[in-house]
Amino acid sequence: EAGVAQSPRYKIIEKRQSVAFWCNPISGHATLYWYQQILGQGPKLLIQFQNNGVVDDSQLPKDRFSAERLKGVDSTLKIQPAKLEDSAVYLCASSSQGANQPQHFGDGTRLSIL
Amino acid sequence: AQKVTQAQTEISVVEKEDVTLDCVYETRDTTYYLFWYKQPPSGELVFLIRRNSFDEQNEISGRYSWNFQKSTSSFNFTITASQVVDSAVYFCALSERGSTLGRLYFGRGTQLTVWP
Repeated sequence: EAGVAQSPRYKIIEKRQSVAFWCNPISGHATLYWYQQILGQGPKLLIQFQNNGVVDDSQLPKDRFSAERLKGVDSTLKIQPAKLEDSAVYLCASSSQGANQPQHFGDGTRLSIL
Repeated sequence: AQKVTQAQTEISVVEKEDVTLDCVYETRDTTYYLFWYKQPPSGELVFLIRRNSFDEQNEISGRYSWNFQKSTSSFNFTITASQVVDSAVYFCALSERGSTLGRLYFGRGTQLTVWP
């Protein structure tokens, strides 16, 4: 079974530029998550999709972050404009529906803001 | 308030030593789920185990074992006869049935270094 695919693996941009990340979940997983992991901390949920609908985006800085999951499969996360504090690893995860289902993570995108 | 607390920031052991990683959680839900994930230097988070709040049986999987105690709100992880390949950051996480389904609250992680 193929795992969660993310790209790019690394990205370096200057502040105020824009950037986009892509995620392809495990086939059949209805739930998709984006997490932000700042160095030395645990992942923090940014947004959760159930199929193509948003379930939870309470932690998403909506003035600069946006995400979509068209057709309930792939998802993109965008930052515009980027700030220095956005430097982090952005992790995508997917799971079957339910609070008891383990989430499976991609390798993440390491974002550095100069 | 932090829902999951991992008080140990870093632990160093020598190969073949046993090591226990502590996890304390906080929730008002009666039904919840606890997880452990491993994050090796390559960066991906690897799922290790899930426990349900209504099942306090301890679990053993090879050199790994987990001790779940509702009375102390703890879900500790023990590695027996540690190996260099166990070096990683380990995260404990909580999911609550009553809140947004599937949302994981992670602790800050414990960096385990196993020296040869």
